[in-house]
Amino acid sequence: DQQVKQNSPSLSVQEGRISILNCDYTNSMFDYFLWYKKYPAEGPTFLISISSIKDKNEDGRFTVFLNKSAKHLSLHIVPSQPGDSAVYFCAASAVTGTASKLTFGTGTRLQVTL
Amino acid sequence: DVKVTQSSRYLVKRTGEKVFLECVQDMDHENMFWYRQDPGLGLRLIYFSYDVKMKEKGDIPEGYSVSREKKERFSLILESASTNQTSMYLCASSPASGSFAEQYFGPGTRLTVT
Repeated sequence: DQQVKQNSPSLSVQEGRISILNCDYTNSMFDYFLWYKKYPAEGPTFLISISSIKDKNEDGRFTVFLNKSAKHLSLHIVPSQPGDSAVYFCAASAVTGTASKLTFGTGTRLQVTL
Repeated sequence: DVKVTQSSRYLVKRTGEKVFLECVQDMDHENMFWYRQDPGLGLRLIYFSYDVKMKEKGDIPEGYSVSREKKERFSLILESASTNQTSMYLCASSPASGSFAEQYFGPGTRLTVT
């Protein structure tokens, strides 16, 4: 039962264009959403997050949009750069009583071409 | 600068061996986590700990155990390694702060069981 889904395993975008990565979730108890970026042979690094009380959060070239009614979030990267080529994981959080756990999607591999 | 370290980057073990994966964080975080990452499956939570000597099962605990004797150290134990435990293992930590709990990841251990 995949509670967080990233339906596109890969995405290829030209340098300078917009990259849009999508994520859907099913659990309405999730109240905080995060995007992580992962390079090969490294651990994931935090990129940007959004609380369920907001619908948009921006940080430089990265913007995350949240549509609660559709249980959908997206990450926009503008403009895309070759260094953005990585695997991007969407994650959702809910407090379970003892600690907040993250549930991750399966990842989308972004390739930014010259 | 936050830091999570893992004892080995690469490990090769034989079927049936007992395997210890060590994780240390220097951020005085209450929560620590062990995940495995497999292609097409994303990151899946094995176990987590919200305090010294306290642990909870994640989504895929079978075949694993954990130990947390000190706040900064969280060990993952494969009691009898099997080939289906060949994977990338990632350790993470986070402060005890409700849902807004960004997790910080180590570089990962690539375990191969032959």
